[in-house]
Amino acid sequence: EADIYQTPRYLVIGTGKKITLECSQTMGHDKMYWYQQDPGMELHLIHYSYGVNSTEKGDLSSESTVSRIRTEHFPLTLESARPSHTSQYLCASSFGNTIYFGEGSWLTVV
Amino acid sequence: KQEVTQIPAALSVPEGENLVLNCSFTDSAIYNLQWFRQDPGKGLTSLLLIQSSQREQTSGRLNASLDKSSGRSTLYIAASQPGDSATYLCAVGLGDAGNMLTFGGGTRLMVKP
Repeated sequence: EADIYQTPRYLVIGTGKKITLECSQTMGHDKMYWYQQDPGMELHLIHYSYGVNSTEKGDLSSESTVSRIRTEHFPLTLESARPSHTSQYLCASSFGNTIYFGEGSWLTVV
Repeated sequence: KQEVTQIPAALSVPEGENLVLNCSFTDSAIYNLQWFRQDPGKGLTSLLLIQSSQREQTSGRLNASLDKSSGRSTLYIAASQPGDSATYLCAVGLGDAGNMLTFGGGTRLMVKP
């Protein structure tokens, strides 16, 4: 069982609110990722990090931002949430060619 | 741009049947291919990882094959059980030791008792 945790698991917020989705892993992995999955659609990579102070944008353009101040922590922030941000956000970390996913954060913006 | 397609999108079978899930990808320059399982409200669990130099991998009742030249992979599930009901995702790994994943849309499997 992988030790990667996401909070909150489920969240409903109003338009214009700022939200931070937390992701933590206790495995000491340098590489971490955020994937987004719109309802009924494929997962897409939106952000990744190779280590502390390293962040890159993924294949899918996203209005969210990320930070990597500590190895174990990779939070994702939406400064002003909109209904189009309604989605599932999955955090992952990897070591070698093994990738571990968290259980996801389901965000609904009303 | 890499595109991954999974067929069928949904499948319902009676318990005990052997079944095959299909995955195709457009660019054969992949690092690896993985099959994941996703249960409702849960994250992804890796089932099988096939390196680009390999042809197949097996784990219990699951067998995955890879034909990189034709851009195809199959996941074979033997003697299906109701507990196998889930969404199965195929993902091809590109850079970063294959951890930059491009996913297919998944196959939703229902195994009826």
